[in-house]
Amino acid sequence: NAGVIQTPRHKVTGKGQEATLWCEPISGHSAVFWYRQTIVQGLEFLTYFRNQAPIDDSGMPKERFSAQMPNQSHSTLKIQSTQPQDSAVYLCASSFPVNTEVFFGKGTRLTVV
Amino acid sequence: GEQVEQRPPHLSVREGDSAIIICTYTDSATAYFSWYKQEAGAGLQLLMSVLSNVDRKEEQGLTVLLNKKDKRLSLNLTAAHPGDSAVYFCAVSNMGYKLTFGTGTSLLVDP
Repeated sequence: NAGVIQTPRHKVTGKGQEATLWCEPISGHSAVFWYRQTIVQGLEFLTYFRNQAPIDDSGMPKERFSAQMPNQSHSTLKIQSTQPQDSAVYLCASSFPVNTEVFFGKGTRLTVV
Repeated sequence: GEQVEQRPPHLSVREGDSAIIICTYTDSATAYFSWYKQEAGAGLQLLMSVLSNVDRKEEQGLTVLLNKKDKRLSLNLTAAHPGDSAVYFCAVSNMGYKLTFGTGTSLLVDP
């Protein structure tokens, strides 16, 4: 079990460019999450998929952020027109259904210059 | 919504001493409780998790205590060693999926 795999580990984008982050959840896990970590805000929930369906995207900034899960083996988080305030570590996590252990990937550090 | 406070923000102990980190939460419906360790530049490593029907759980030098009356969750590292130096987060859930995290405790274990 390789755990949750996130690629790339580091990404640098210019202001206004698009960034796509990838996540491969643990095989068999039906729940996939995205979180964002910054020094100022700490760990923030972004969005949640269950059995590939979007369930809760209440943490997603509405205008430029989108997440998809086209199949059970990967999810993407896309940020359009990146801004310096988007700089953060983006963490993907997966688990079996509710109230069970949630396992995180190593994260993607996004830097917008 | 759920609010989680974690203390202390920084903790320094000597090797072999105990280290205790405490989180308090606000929602009495909170049902899932967990602790994570984050080393520099790394993701979150799940240490232990408990459901609301468990008051105490011990594993490999770690003890988690849950006091539902006081809405308090604690992590006790017994006999800490330098490899335990990291940032520790509590994380709780009252919705079955969305984790609310504490603000983190930076633990330094001096050899």
